Amino acid sequence: EVQLVESGGGLVQPGGSLRLSCAASGFTVSSNYMSWVRQAPGKGLEWVSVIYSGGSTYYADSVKGRFTISRDNSKNTLYLQMNSLRAEDTAVYYCARDRGGDGVYDYWGQGTLVTVSS
Amino acid sequence: DIQMTQSPSSLSASVGDRVTITCQASQDISNYLNWYQQKPGKAPKLLIYDASNLETGVPSRFSGSGSGTDFTFTISSLQPEDIATYYCQQYDNLPRTFGQGTKVEIK
Repeated sequence: EVQLVESGGGLVQPGGSLRLSCAASGFTVSSNYMSWVRQAPGKGLEWVSVIYSGGSTYYADSVKGRFTISRDNSKNTLYLQMNSLRAEDTAVYYCARDRGGDGVYDYWGQGTLVTVSS
Repeated sequence: DIQMTQSPSSLSASVGDRVTITCQASQDISNYLNWYQQKPGKAPKLLIYDASNLETGVPSRFSGSGSGTDFTFTISSLQPEDIATYYCQQYDNLPRTFGQGTKVEIK
């Protein structure tokens, strides 16, 4: 059974850092495209980043230069390192499997809440 | 970036009604469009991919159509468990972009 479990969210001050984790089971992270999608409180969905199976990475302009997506193949885990956090980064962050690598998100984690506030 | 415009932003319908949501892309995206359902406090769930293909295990009352810039999502007979917010999403280009969502309620 495919499962994605996020962790690492919490309260952080503006300018601070946080690393989110997404532990996968039932499939191999490194063989798939994996994305992060976020949702600010009461708002819609916003794509954040993707890592391709070959290792290429892409980011939304709103997080470029501040966030880094990566994976640990030995742990079958996806990460999102978030630096220089801003109030507008406050959101539930979901990891999602990109089936076929074409942008169809067929499995999602339960989400982890990041709150940026002083 | 490709802008996705959904309408309406919310709707109220009776059990058994036919419900239709539209999604318009700011440029031609062929059939590279998905529809997701999100219930409160839960992650989105894929319902429709490639504009019209029903994801495995999704009830057949859900359907999608369209290509190019104009797309439609339909619930043929609204059920109480369909109360949720529905999002379209394009995957023609990066960044992937979503519509603003349509909240469906029971009248």
